[in-house]
Amino acid sequence: QVQLVESGGGVVQPGMSLRLSCVASGFTFRNSAMHWVRQDPGKGLEWVAVLSYDGKNNYYADSVKGRFTISRDNSNNTLYLQMDSLRTEDTAVYYCARDQVTYFDQWGQGTLVAVSS
Amino acid sequence: IELTQSPGTLSLSPGERATLSCRASQSVTSTFLAWYQQKPGQAPRLLIYAASSRATGIPDRFSGSGSGTDFTLTISRLEPEDFAVYYCQQYGGSPPWTFGQGTKVEIK
Repeated sequence: QVQLVESGGGVVQPGMSLRLSCVASGFTFRNSAMHWVRQDPGKGLEWVAVLSYDGKNNYYADSVKGRFTISRDNSNNTLYLQMDSLRTEDTAVYYCARDQVTYFDQWGQGTLVAVSS
Repeated sequence: IELTQSPGTLSLSPGERATLSCRASQSVTSTFLAWYQQKPGQAPRLLIYAASSRATGIPDRFSGSGSGTDFTLTISRLEPEDFAVYYCQQYGGSPPWTFGQGTKVEIK
């Protein structure tokens, strides 16, 4: 069955960096575009970034553009999110999700990022 | 495109019918509207895509409808496991993907 397992979350101070990972299994990872979606604790969902199946095309939410970088390693079935210059408003649970163009059909369990001084 | 869900909270009893609304700030292609269910401590789960198509394994008590700016998720008879938060989501043909703020269905 499809599995997406995120890791790398933690508590960091404003201005610091963090890299999240998402290991995929149960499907042909190299054929799927992948997303990061985040959720403020107790609040709603916000799309963060998407990366094409081959890693050549990416898009970011305006709130993270220039600070976050999405990448992938298809040989290891892993998606990454490099988060630099973190702000308190980046505090959230971060999910990786599989793309079906107009919606997300599979989600990981999420990893919590807390940015606090 | 902004999505506004109503009501914010729906208090119902098991066995009752739930009707959740999702209104878009401008017209949404029906193919690009999806619904998710989220329970506490869990990731969202896809319920409905293309406004009315049930995802794999979703019971037929869940149905989606609508077009243009008004979409509806209906749960015909609430089961105990259906009490959760529900989100609509749209894709406008280019990024970003956006979500509504959610409707909580709670036990009355």
